[in-house]
Amino acid sequence: AQSVTQLDSHVSVSEGTPVLLRCNYSSSYSPSLFWYVQHPNKGLQLLLKYTSAATLVKGINGFEAEFKKSETSFHLTKPSAHMSDAAEYFCVVSGWETSYDKVIFGPGTSLSVIP
Amino acid sequence: GAVVSQHPSRVICKSGTSVKIECRSLDFQATTMFWYRQFPKQSLMLMATSNEGSKATYEQGVEKDKFLINHASLTLSTLTVTSAHPEDSSFYICSAQLTGGNYGYTFGSGTRLTVV
Repeated sequence: AQSVTQLDSHVSVSEGTPVLLRCNYSSSYSPSLFWYVQHPNKGLQLLLKYTSAATLVKGINGFEAEFKKSETSFHLTKPSAHMSDAAEYFCVVSGWETSYDKVIFGPGTSLSVIP
Repeated sequence: GAVVSQHPSRVICKSGTSVKIECRSLDFQATTMFWYRQFPKQSLMLMATSNEGSKATYEQGVEKDKFLINHASLTLSTLTVTSAHPEDSSFYICSAQLTGGNYGYTFGSGTRLTVV
């Protein structure tokens, strides 16, 4: 079975300071991992994905994440927060389960950016 | 590329009626599609996974007779909420799996269902 844990339901940072959103996963198989962002009343946008290639993944808008198998983690980081980064962030794990590919969303982390 | 179009974006229906939500892949063939439900300020909950030409696989606790999923073609999947009740009011999002070198998932823009 697969599961995703996002350790912080809400993170607040000042503009220009680093962002760290934590994600831990559990999977019986080699998973693929994703980070999606959802702005209020809008759909989901892919930030980045890990699919068994390089463990350090660079995404859009300056975000990156590192896959650490030993820690079963896939934390999302950004060196300098911008006001437009305020949104809901979801860590997602997918993997083959029994007979189909299953996709599980984490509970989400709400990011606030203080001017 | 890899766009999924979801309609309608908003729908209000009377209790007891049925509502159909469509999800179309515009420029690719979607063999596998997913349907999610999202309550306010909560995460997306996977309802079911559908493969073209096969019966959908429903998650535990999701009533298959209430949430009918049809994936009869490689570009269209539909979710029908039958005999809707106010507690079915929610945000429903579809997703299509991308394969090959662009492995991942693309999402529809969601449907806000309100049952009155």
